[in-house]
Amino acid sequence: NAGVMQNPRHLVRRRGQEARLRCSPMKGHSHVYWYRQLPEEGLKFMVYLQKENIIDESGMPKERFSAEFPKEGPSILRIQQVVRGDSAAYFCASSPLQRHTDTQYFGPGTRLTVL
Amino acid sequence: GENVEQHPSTLSVQEGDSAVIKCTYSDSASNYFPWYKQELGKRPQLIIDIRSNVGEKKDQRIAVTLNKTAKHFSLHITETQPEDSAVYFCAASIGTTGANSKLTFGKGITLSVRP
Repeated sequence: NAGVMQNPRHLVRRRGQEARLRCSPMKGHSHVYWYRQLPEEGLKFMVYLQKENIIDESGMPKERFSAEFPKEGPSILRIQQVVRGDSAAYFCASSPLQRHTDTQYFGPGTRLTVL
Repeated sequence: GENVEQHPSTLSVQEGDSAVIKCTYSDSASNYFPWYKQELGKRPQLIIDIRSNVGEKKDQRIAVTLNKTAKHFSLHITETQPEDSAVYFCAASIGTTGANSKLTFGKGITLSVRP
């Protein structure tokens, strides 16, 4: 029973490039959350998606950031024109969100470094 | 929105002693409170959670208590072991479904267990 998968695990980009982070939820899970963790900080919610729908993007910066969760394939968090302040660990979590099973299971994260 | 605060930020205990980590939350509508353990460079792992319809939950050496009136909840670890050393995050969410299911995290506490 594979857990939440994320790739790449480490990503290095130069300022102005694009970063694409992928998340495959646990089998049977159709809800995906993205969180960002700055060094020595807690996790900050960014966006919550179900298949083909963005449910809540209240934590996502209005510019340069976008997310999708297509009918087929992983969820993608896309950061355009990266800046040094985007350097962080990005975690996704998945949940079945059935009654009494709202636990969120986290992936191993993608550590983005912007040079 | 919800605000979760965690204190202290660091805690050092002797192996075999108990450790207590406290969190407070601001939104009285919050009803789900998970605790995550994160080792250096690893994913956050759920160790225990509690819902607002119960006051206490135990799982071997770990317990969580919830005081809805005071809006705080605590993690209790008994008979601490060196492998308990990690960063512990508390979190809260308002709902278990839909847009309210996002987690708001505290900043984390670094627990060190001295051999």
